[in-house]
Amino acid sequence: RKEVEQDPGPFNVPEGATVAFNCTYSNSASQSFFWYRQDCRKEPKLLMSVYSSGNEDGRFTAQLNRASQYISLLIRDSKLSDSATYLCVVSGSYKLIFGSGTRLLVRP
Amino acid sequence: NAGVTQTPKFRVLKTGQSMTLLCAQDMNHEYMYWYRQDPGMGLRLIHYSVGEGTTAKGEVPDGYNVSRLKKQNFLLGLESAAPSQTSVYFCASRVGLENQPQHFGDGTRLSIL
Repeated sequence: RKEVEQDPGPFNVPEGATVAFNCTYSNSASQSFFWYRQDCRKEPKLLMSVYSSGNEDGRFTAQLNRASQYISLLIRDSKLSDSATYLCVVSGSYKLIFGSGTRLLVRP
Repeated sequence: NAGVTQTPKFRVLKTGQSMTLLCAQDMNHEYMYWYRQDPGMGLRLIHYSVGEGTTAKGEVPDGYNVSRLKKQNFLLGLESAAPSQTSVYFCASRVGLENQPQHFGDGTRLSIL
């Protein structure tokens, strides 16, 4: 079983749609959680941290369910520029564990 | 503030040649990492370091060596390059504290013929 599992997608949605990505992780001792965004052939960039109480940053909302070891990312009012791969990230021993990513395509 | 800088950006090697990729960070981060990413695939950790003078193996260390002689630099070496090592290599650094994210360099695109 992978340490961090994500649906690879692609999720193909129209502009303005709401889309949600889910991620599960295996290490119950993990303390830190993040969502990163990666554009084609570019480096991953931090989108947002994920806090236990859930948190929002503009159109993006992240939630954490420690009991189910589950993280989610909700994107509202999708823009063409949101097209990218979204990486779920969980802390491990001295390092962060990256999921393989969920690809999002936003169409006009 | 440059952040994480990787050199070179691109390189083409012949099978059997050796080379060193340099990663430099100016954020005084304790932890540094080398990843490779193949087309359509996720990141795979090659080696990492939790401090000056220390290194550890990641999930795909074979064929690579690393050194961290200075806190700000993390070098990745290929002693005898193979076509299977054609990939994009990303370096990252991080403060050695919980709840801190990693910061990535913009990658080195390496082709081995």
